[in-house]
Amino acid sequence: GAVVSQHPSWVICKSGTSVKIECRSLDFQATTMFWYRQFPKQSLMLMATSNEGSKATYEQGVEKDKFLINHASLTLSTLTVTSAHPEDSSFYICSAPRTASYEQYFGPGTRLTVT
Amino acid sequence: RKEVEQDPGPFNVPEGATVAFNCTYSNSASQSFFWYRQDCRKEPKLLMSVYSSGNEDGRFTAQLNRASQYISLLIRDSKLSDSATYLCVVKPGGGADGLTFGKGTHLIIQP
Repeated sequence: GAVVSQHPSWVICKSGTSVKIECRSLDFQATTMFWYRQFPKQSLMLMATSNEGSKATYEQGVEKDKFLINHASLTLSTLTVTSAHPEDSSFYICSAPRTASYEQYFGPGTRLTVT
Repeated sequence: RKEVEQDPGPFNVPEGATVAFNCTYSNSASQSFFWYRQDCRKEPKLLMSVYSSGNEDGRFTAQLNRASQYISLLIRDSKLSDSATYLCVVKPGGGADGLTFGKGTHLIIQP
């Protein structure tokens, strides 16, 4: 069964609004989680590393004030897309590695459409 | 130069055929290598890890050449269900690091 869940599966919002996406590890604790974004026909691109109890680490070119990450517990990381615009429309996927093996488990993804 | 490069395809092959994909990576310090499979509008799923000694899992064989920074995947006796996008993935470190994905190679198995 799924070991990482993500909610919502899809969301349509109006330009200028904010959207929160949740990523949960279901049967293990994850001190680190990763957020990726995938545009149509493009590769998954790492956006940021979410660290439990500390600030997230953002990849070059990703605006930390626009993509707010909160990793408040060992099983939950949230990504908030603030003041969303149509160019933010994408497939957002989180992953969490198990500590022992570092194998990464991916959530099912959230498809965001900003109108 | 892109960090992980793959031929995007699509590769159209008949059922039962053998097909091979390759990818190259630019970071010579990369530690771990994988092939993931992604179906349309779904999350990627780990197909197999890749080792220098080569590894096989049923119909799938993966190989890593560190000197050439080259990774390959061979699929034998292809099935219709093998139709998907195959992602070459590299991890820079040995711990819990983010993954670097290639753009993927689209495979279509035809009956």
